Amino acid sequence: QQPVQSPQAVILREGEDAVINCSSSKALYSVHWYRQKHGEAPVFLMILLKGGEQKGHDKISASFNEKKQQSSLYLTASQLSYSGTYFCGTLTWGDSSYKLIFGSGTRLLVRP
Amino acid sequence: EPEVTQTPSHQVTQMGQEVILRCVPISNHLYFYWYRQILGQKVEFLVSFYNNEISEKSEIFDDQFSVERPDGSNFTLKIRSTKLEDSAMYFCASSRTSGVSNTGELFFGEGSRLTVL
Repeated sequence: QQPVQSPQAVILREGEDAVINCSSSKALYSVHWYRQKHGEAPVFLMILLKGGEQKGHDKISASFNEKKQQSSLYLTASQLSYSGTYFCGTLTWGDSSYKLIFGSGTRLLVRP
Repeated sequence: EPEVTQTPSHQVTQMGQEVILRCVPISNHLYFYWYRQILGQKVEFLVSFYNNEISEKSEIFDDQFSVERPDGSNFTLKIRSTKLEDSAMYFCASSRTSGVSNTGELFFGEGSRLTVL
């Protein structure tokens, strides 16, 4: 039930774009995106609640295709500060309540 | 800005010993979580806690693990008899609401690194 993320790793030059995909085999109630820098805790980026929802701030945005049980994170005109590991978290129904399960992560390195 | 605090930041223990990891969630948050991350790997769900009881737990969260909220502010994870494979970073997180709303974001603490020798 762990969501599948792709790609596993991306190397970009500053200013380039990237897309990170997340898919689930289970019905999703929401999708969360987090970024983790080396040695730090994950930090929240955004939540998508409804199918077709798109959100973004700065040059990071995401979409949620509820029917396909997929979400994508778009990073445009990447900056050095975007480097880190990106995790999608999918909220599904467990035995008696919701649980947020993270994918295995996508390592992003932005070079000057 | 309110934050989730965790203690200790690093604990070294011998195999078979009991360990208690402590967390102080953000004060108006209602949902609490423990996740763990083995070095360089994914963030794994252990347990979620709401209204003073476990709401969900993973297959990892077996009888050697327990959680409690003893005094309305602390949220603890106890590992009864540690094994080598319990070595990991343990993250506590809290959220104001469940993850189905725009206020359902998880706020993570800085983590407690557990090393079992």
